[in-house]
Amino acid sequence: EVLLLESGGDLVQPGGSLRLSCAASGFTFSSYAMNWVRQVPGKGLEWVSVILAGGGGGTYADSVRGRFTISRDNSKDTLYLQMDNLRVEDTALYYCAKEPVGYLDLWGRGTLVTVSS
Amino acid sequence: EIVMTQTPLSSPVTLGQPASISCRSSQGLVHSDGNTYLSWLHQRPGQPPRLLIYKVSNRFSGVPDRFSGSGAGTDFTLKISRVEAEDVGVYYCMQATQFPYTFGQGTKLEIK
Repeated sequence: EVLLLESGGDLVQPGGSLRLSCAASGFTFSSYAMNWVRQVPGKGLEWVSVILAGGGGGTYADSVRGRFTISRDNSKDTLYLQMDNLRVEDTALYYCAKEPVGYLDLWGRGTLVTVSS
Repeated sequence: EIVMTQTPLSSPVTLGQPASISCRSSQGLVHSDGNTYLSWLHQRPGQPPRLLIYKVSNRFSGVPDRFSGSGAGTDFTLKISRVEAEDVGVYYCMQATQFPYTFGQGTKLEIK
């Protein structure tokens, strides 16, 4: 079965850090770019970051650049998002999504990040 | 940043009747590779988004043929030929032609 499974969401204080993971199965993970998209419950979708199939540097939304780092381990079929210096406004459900080219064709169910004191 | 504007934001529809959602981008969406990376997603309550249409008019695998996408330049449309109960939820357009990728605000489809 083709699947993405996010984990790592938690309650964290402002200024804290968290690392999200996204485990892929059922497809050749190393052949696809991967994205993180977030959604405040009840609100719209906000793109966060993308990393190319081979890894290397990522591309980020202005709202997270310099605080979040996207990475992947193709030997483990896993995508990561290191989130540092978290802010209250980072509170959201974080989805990982697979990207063939120019569209997101497979989404996980999300992991909830809550930033609050 | 390319701003995506959807209309309407809410659409009450009678079962079996057609529905249409418009998406306008603040800049043209033709990529330097010649493709237009405009897609449509559907999100049911409590579920992740799922892809319906990619590159303007291509139906994704398993998507019923009552869904169709069209448009060019900065104006795009998603049409549902006959709305079924399972079509309720929020529809988003998304552009991936230019970073940052951006989404429309979402259009909530409800049954009258």
